[in-house]
Amino acid sequence: DQQVKQNSPSLSVQEGRISILNCDYTNSMFDYFLWYKKYPAEGPTFLISISSIKDKNEDGRFTVFLNKSAKHLSLHIVPSQPGDSAVYFCAASNGEGNDMRFGAGTRLTVKP
Amino acid sequence: DGGITQSPKYLFRKEGQNVTLSCEQNLNHDAMYWYRQDPGQGLRLIYYSQIVNDFQKGDIAEGYSVSREKKESFPLTVTSAQKNPTAFYLCASSQWIGTATYEQYFGPGTRLTVT
Repeated sequence: DQQVKQNSPSLSVQEGRISILNCDYTNSMFDYFLWYKKYPAEGPTFLISISSIKDKNEDGRFTVFLNKSAKHLSLHIVPSQPGDSAVYFCAASNGEGNDMRFGAGTRLTVKP
Repeated sequence: DGGITQSPKYLFRKEGQNVTLSCEQNLNHDAMYWYRQDPGQGLRLIYYSQIVNDFQKGDIAEGYSVSREKKESFPLTVTSAQKNPTAFYLCASSQWIGTATYEQYFGPGTRLTVT
């Protein structure tokens, strides 16, 4: 069963505009959420995370929002740059290493 | 440079052969993981190890085996019992403090093709 879902397989945005990537989860036991970025033929790299005790975490151009009641999180990239073009994975964990679940990924394309 | 190395990048095998994928890390991380990625799907956990000489099955362990004889190394063997072995395999590591883990660091992956 897919406990973490990224319903948009792809997203295209103009350079300088905001990119919003969405993620939904079903397991209410998840208490730590992460976003990873992946370029072709490379492993994912950690981007930003948020604990369930917060509803927002910001790091430069990247902000993650968490809505626990809706079991939804989103990643905002402002302003978007062509170098942000990659596949973004959402992941969720209950703090145990055996329960990190990943979404299927969203391919972001930022057009110059 | 600290990091995770996986070799080889591409691997081709005939059906019925066992094959071992290498994963080495010099980050001094306690925990290591193996994931499999298939098109249109998220990463699925095959095996993980919290400490040397100990490992646990993930969601899709059937047809795979691992060992953890050294902290730095966590090789994965894809056996002939694995029905659909062709996939992209990712190794990861993380700190392990008590029961909490931190973000995982991934290697570049190995693309295995079995014909």
